[in-house]
Amino acid sequence: SQQGEEDPQALSIQEGENATMNCSYKTSINNLQWYRQNSGRGLVHLILIRSNEREKHSGRLRVTLDTSKKSSSLLITASRAADTASYFCATVTSYDKVIFGPGTSLSVIP
Amino acid sequence: NAGVTQTPKFRVLKTGQSMTLLCAQDMNHEYMYWYRQDPGMGLRLIHYSVGEGTTAKGEVPDGYNVSRLKKQNFLLGLESAAPSQTSVYFCASRKKRDLVATYEQYFGPGTRLTVT
Repeated sequence: SQQGEEDPQALSIQEGENATMNCSYKTSINNLQWYRQNSGRGLVHLILIRSNEREKHSGRLRVTLDTSKKSSSLLITASRAADTASYFCATVTSYDKVIFGPGTSLSVIP
Repeated sequence: NAGVTQTPKFRVLKTGQSMTLLCAQDMNHEYMYWYRQDPGMGLRLIHYSVGEGTTAKGEVPDGYNVSRLKKQNFLLGLESAAPSQTSVYFCASRKKRDLVATYEQYFGPGTRLTVT
């Protein structure tokens, strides 16, 4: 079964709006990562948040982690058309394996 | 510095045929991974390796074999392809865990495999 589950499965917003994606997981984790995948390409690492952190920022990205609820959220502020992609959360339960969720497909309309 | 490369980019196989997918990385990473990506399923780990000469099973290893004879290369083999193995295959690598571990994985561009 999938360790991480993203919500929503698909999201469509206007350029300039904020986009929020959520990820829920089932077991204890060491850290949680977010990746982006442009159509037909490999995944690109965006940001990592450790289990003892609650919030992290990187440019227009803000990630939160609530270990009591086993959930994380990714916020993209002031979205651009170039942000159109699929976004995946990945949980690390041991340092050898990473388990990915099914992803959220984001469309940013110019 | 090419990062992670995969060969081939596309392949069509008939049921029962065999093939090998090659992954190469030039970042001197210890860990390497093979994933498959199917619609609505995200990425599922097939096999992985934590160093030269070592391999381990992931979530969906059946029907696949791997080898890591050289640190920079990780091969994924399909001995007798089945239509259920139609998928996009991604290779990834990362540094060994250290004091400032990031666990960031670097992905190749993918191989699109169709089994008819």
